[in-house]
Amino acid sequence: KAGVTQTPRYLIKTRGQQVTLSCSPISGHRSVSWYQQTPGQGLQFLFEYFSETQRNKGNFPGRFSGRQFSNSRSEMNVSTLELGDSALYLCASSSQGDYEQYFGPGTRLTVT
Amino acid sequence: LAKTTQPISMDSYEGQEVNITCSHNNIATNDYITWYQQFPSQGPRFIIQGYKTKVTNEVASLFIPADRKSSTLSLPRVSLSDTAVYYCLVGPTDSWGKLQFGAGTQVVVTP
Repeated sequence: KAGVTQTPRYLIKTRGQQVTLSCSPISGHRSVSWYQQTPGQGLQFLFEYFSETQRNKGNFPGRFSGRQFSNSRSEMNVSTLELGDSALYLCASSSQGDYEQYFGPGTRLTVT
Repeated sequence: LAKTTQPISMDSYEGQEVNITCSHNNIATNDYITWYQQFPSQGPRFIIQGYKTKVTNEVASLFIPADRKSSTLSLPRVSLSDTAVYYCLVGPTDSWGKLQFGAGTQVVVTP
């Protein structure tokens, strides 16, 4: 069974721009969660989508948004990028949003 | 979600057993204990999960005492490739996709 895939793997953007990251979950998984990882803050939960609905949300500003499609693929969007948004963005999938999640390799976003 | 406390770092030699203890004094009745492993620039990987007593799989063992206020992840006969950060997480299985990671324990295995 194919694992979680994320595209692109690396991205460089300028402050003020917006970015869209993509995640394809493991086949059959209906839950997709997004995380931000930085050296200073560690791994932080952004939000979770289940059957195209956002079920859970972390403490991030509204510039961070996402969506999930009917095939469970998910996208995350960050608008008006700030330097502090530079991070590794990870998505994870699970069958029901439980504690056994499967993570993708991440997208390394650099904001200059 | 229950707060967890684990050592910042641990060093070991190849072939030794590594035991990482996690404290979770405020664990709730419906909380499970889950451990993840993360290598640099990769996503975390699920290792093991348990509720009480002992759980063992091909990678590790998880020991949970009766009061469940702590747990110990045991990695038998570690190799250099076990050098990673290990996270202890505590929460209900119906977490709606939210995993709350702490700082984790950096394990360094040397020859």
